Amino acid sequence: AQKVTQAQTEISVVEKEDVTLDCVYETRDTTYYLFWYKQPPSGELVFLIRRNSFDEQNEISGRYSWNFQKSTSSFNFTITASQVVDSAVYFCALSDGTTDSWGKFQFGAGTQVVVTP
Amino acid sequence: DGGITQSPKYLFRKEGQNVTLSCEQNLNHDAMYWYRQDPGQGLRLIYYSQIVNDFQKGDIAEGYSVSREKKESFPLTVTSAQKNPTAFYLCASSRDSQPQHFGDGTRLSIL
Repeated sequence: AQKVTQAQTEISVVEKEDVTLDCVYETRDTTYYLFWYKQPPSGELVFLIRRNSFDEQNEISGRYSWNFQKSTSSFNFTITASQVVDSAVYFCALSDGTTDSWGKFQFGAGTQVVVTP
Repeated sequence: DGGITQSPKYLFRKEGQNVTLSCEQNLNHDAMYWYRQDPGQGLRLIYYSQIVNDFQKGDIAEGYSVSREKKESFPLTVTSAQKNPTAFYLCASSRDSQPQHFGDGTRLSIL
């Protein structure tokens, strides 16, 4: 069975501090996809990044960076120099790679990030 | 602009009443999904549809029903059998293996 664990319920930081969100996943599939989504107070989910199980290259995009490590089944996300606009709930999600299951995401419980000025 | 439109934004249900949440997309996506989000929890899949006139149950389909008569539309009915319907409902769509796009959500409450 697939499972996504986001152990951090809430992280509070002061603006300009770095924030790292942890995500640990479980799956028996060899082909799978991992995602991070952001949910601001308005409610919609905003796609941030997708990684497939064969691509362990870490990525930096502006103030965001991701660390994918298959050996520890982790897909962590870091916000560098946080800003108040980064305040949101961040979800990690897992989907296996089969066509039939595409879209059947397993979401973590989410981590609330609060950035104060 | 292309996107997903959910309506209404807020909905109230009386006891024993069925209510229908609307989801329309103009992204030409084949697949559409309904998720339920409870406070402090992640999203759980209710139903999904990969093509017109076909849909499958997700993890928590009991008390819900859907239809997919048009590619653009995937309405969700919350029936009176759903005893705890108060939640935030999100609709999403996707094409092939691309990431899902989400609507702004509908917040359903009980009167």
